[in-house]
Amino acid sequence: DTGVSQNPRHKITKRGQNVTFRCDPISEHNRLYWYRQTLGQGPEFLTYFQNEAQLEKSRLLSDRFSAERPKGSFSTLEIQRTEQGDSAMYLCASSLASGFSPLHFGNGTRLTVT
Amino acid sequence: DQQVKQNSPSLSVQEGRISILNCDYTNSMFDYFLWYKKYPAEGPTFLISISSIKDKNEDGRFTVFLNKSAKHLSLHIVPSQPGDSAVYFCAARNRDDKIIFGKGTRLHILP
Repeated sequence: DTGVSQNPRHKITKRGQNVTFRCDPISEHNRLYWYRQTLGQGPEFLTYFQNEAQLEKSRLLSDRFSAERPKGSFSTLEIQRTEQGDSAMYLCASSLASGFSPLHFGNGTRLTVT
Repeated sequence: DQQVKQNSPSLSVQEGRISILNCDYTNSMFDYFLWYKKYPAEGPTFLISISSIKDKNEDGRFTVFLNKSAKHLSLHIVPSQPGDSAVYFCAARNRDDKIIFGKGTRLHILP
């Protein structure tokens, strides 16, 4: 069981730069979720996919954010023109779509925008 | 608009005693409730869940109680152990499979 894998673990970037994060879900899971967590808060929903279809995007996700899951396996989250307010832990999780299946999280990518 | 609320930011409990973590929710359409545990520098780990049609679910030292009329759930850990020191998140699933999290409660187990 390889679990959910996220890369990189840490990213430091300057304001205005673009960044891309990758998530590899548990192989048999067809649902993939992105969350963002800031200090003192719980994970906040950003977006999720079933296979390659993006089902919903949160209002938190501005036009600078885009997520893809092109072949229904791994996913990428890109942030364009980063701002200091984007500094957070970005968490990816996966689950099965049928019945009740809890989310299994990766260890996250910590983004620091300077 | 916080749909899942954990009103206690932190809780300290003596080792061996019972830890009780509380959670309130506002959306009566949630169909599952979950508890996650999080250590620093790691992602949240699933602990236990309960369907909205049940009022109790037990797994080893962990028991979750659901009171639908009060829109309240609690997680009981007994006996509490040092490794239980972590942040605990209450979460709930919408009908569209989105999972909404509370802000978390930091549990300290005292020796």
